[in-house]
Amino acid sequence: ETGVTQSPTHLIKTRGQQVTLRCSSQSGHNTVSWYQQALGQGPQFIFQYYREEENGRGNFPPRFSGLQFPNYSSELNVNALELDDSALYLCASSPTLWQGRDEQYFGPGTRLTVT
Amino acid sequence: GQQLNQSPQSMFIQEGEDVSMNCTSSSIFNTWLWYKQDPGEGPVLLIALYKAGELTSNGRLTAQFGITRKDSFLNISASIPSDVGIYFCAGLASTASKLTFGTGTRLQVTL
Repeated sequence: ETGVTQSPTHLIKTRGQQVTLRCSSQSGHNTVSWYQQALGQGPQFIFQYYREEENGRGNFPPRFSGLQFPNYSSELNVNALELDDSALYLCASSPTLWQGRDEQYFGPGTRLTVT
Repeated sequence: GQQLNQSPQSMFIQEGEDVSMNCTSSSIFNTWLWYKQDPGEGPVLLIALYKAGELTSNGRLTAQFGITRKDSFLNISASIPSDVGIYFCAGLASTASKLTFGTGTRLQVTL
């Protein structure tokens, strides 16, 4: 039990639609990172937020965007969904500005299927 | 996107055996992390390595930070059925928050 929850657990969307995925971190966790994990692969870093500001981004297009809120919740928004966006989306939180020195706690993920 | 190369891709071993897996990169990292992921869950941190040449243990697990800073190794001694899962290495460069994961090693243990 990591104290990180994600919703929904699963969802199915159609190509071209928009989706919002949600993550709830432990109280006091100021860093949240989002990852995309395609089937059979390792997670890929999308971006990180620290105290509601983006603090690093992986090789993902601008149609992937995020928000972090003062209540330690966050969102991942994906516009103009493509079939390749089908994946498990993981969020991870940590209490400080995460740069590898303390543990980041992963949620169970949201499984997105794009048809 | 970039993924680190892990080998073997999968392993099928008997309970009680020792397991070795490794991870290589074309880039230098200053932090190496090893995670385990069970079905339906997110990765869980097993071991963190912060210095080239460092050897760190966590119970039956031992990991090493390669001297070139481009590789890392994980050993599991006396495997038990609950070791089943997918093991991922991950590397972090000095100033970035971008964690790069490996392709994963799937471990299956028989009694």
